[in-house]
Amino acid sequence: AQKITQTQPGMFVQEKEAVTLDCTYDTSDQSYGLFWYKQPSSGEMIFLIYQGSYDEQNATEGRYSLNFQKARKSANLVISASQLGDSAMYFCAMSFSGAGSYQLTFGKGTKLSVIP
Amino acid sequence: DTGVSQDPRHKITKRGQNVTFRCDPISEHNRLYWYRQTLGQGPEFLTYFQNEAQLEKSRLLSDRFSAERPKGSFSTLEIQRTEQGDSAMYLCASSSGQGARSGDNEQFFGPGTRLTVL
Repeated sequence: AQKITQTQPGMFVQEKEAVTLDCTYDTSDQSYGLFWYKQPSSGEMIFLIYQGSYDEQNATEGRYSLNFQKARKSANLVISASQLGDSAMYFCAMSFSGAGSYQLTFGKGTKLSVIP
Repeated sequence: DTGVSQDPRHKITKRGQNVTFRCDPISEHNRLYWYRQTLGQGPEFLTYFQNEAQLEKSRLLSDRFSAERPKGSFSTLEIQRTEQGDSAMYLCASSSGQGARSGDNEQFFGPGTRLTVL
């Protein structure tokens, strides 16, 4: 079974600083995808970044980068130059090709608070 | 493209009543998912449609829950004889399903329907 673990229930970061949100995963599949979503207080899940298990380079999307360490089964999200609007819940998720649906398995999330 | 929409955004009902939620996916997305999110948790998978066919159901989906996607467009999720434990946010997501890699399956989420069962 697939499992996502996010060990940081809450994180604080000063505005304009960088922050790393931790995510580890457990799977026996060779082919899988790792995702990060942001969920503001409004409730909508916003896609941030994706990393495929066979991708050799770490994914980057603007201020977001994914620190993918396959051997350690970790996929940490790095947010550079934090902004007040980054305050939200952040979820790490995984999909795998073993299930034809590519359903997402989510962690419990990390609440990020950006301090002015 | 207006994104995934869900209706209603909020629903308050009494225990034992039936409720129905609607999801309109991004047009031409053939994959549609329902998730449930309770307070302090990440979303949990409920069911999946590819076009009009319901191909996968989670064990979370008891026999009081039924989902449909007629004609492979919008989808409905019905909960019969609601219980207080059904109180949650119900999220719908869609994806194009293009490509073989799971990464090509980025799921776009709607704003959710928040259900409160009194």
